[in-house]
Amino acid sequence: DAKTTQPPSMDCAEGRAANLPCNHSTISGNEYVYWYRQIHSQGPQYIIHGLKNNETNEMASLIITEDRKSSTLILPHATLRDTAVYYCIVRVARWNTGNQFYFGTGTSLTVIP
Amino acid sequence: EAGVAQSPRYKIIEKRQSVAFWCNPISGHATLYWYQQILGQGPKLLIQFQNNGVVDDSQLPKDRFSAERLKGVDSTLKIQPAKLEDSAVYLCASSLGVSITDTQYFGPGTRLTVL
Repeated sequence: DAKTTQPPSMDCAEGRAANLPCNHSTISGNEYVYWYRQIHSQGPQYIIHGLKNNETNEMASLIITEDRKSSTLILPHATLRDTAVYYCIVRVARWNTGNQFYFGTGTSLTVIP
Repeated sequence: EAGVAQSPRYKIIEKRQSVAFWCNPISGHATLYWYQQILGQGPKLLIQFQNNGVVDDSQLPKDRFSAERLKGVDSTLKIQPAKLEDSAVYLCASSLGVSITDTQYFGPGTRLTVL
């Protein structure tokens, strides 16, 4: 199973862009990169996902390197409410069990006023 | 659109007691997941249902954990008997199907403390 490596913690100043890196060097060609976040005492919240191309939605941008071995989640203007644990997940495609998530320990992002 | 509902939100029991958690997925979602999240760790998949059938329960400790989704909608997860190491947050998630692009939506979780 493709594994991900993330820094355990990061700080970001409020209003600045938060860039959260993720390494997934063993990713396979048909595996997607997903990002979720978990605010304290809540369930994980979907942010964005991508395969090869960069993706953007109302919450964030996802930049995937050309070799797909790493990616970066960008929160363009971080607010205090973005303080959370961010999980980078490679979604494994299995013919017999659907497509499952394997969560690591994530990056704890603290947005500083 | 209503999200994934779970109850209770908190439960405290003594070891060797039994406990059950309930989950109501998003309407129309065929796939339902139960995760266990121990403090300081990411969620770990316990069991996955597709409608009322089990797709994967390879990570479920079957000697004490059981889960069902009888009518393909609501689901219950039971622990009997509970151990101290079962203290965790139990998360339920649902998705439309099992496509690799089907997003999983999570409920708020049930925090279990075993004393």
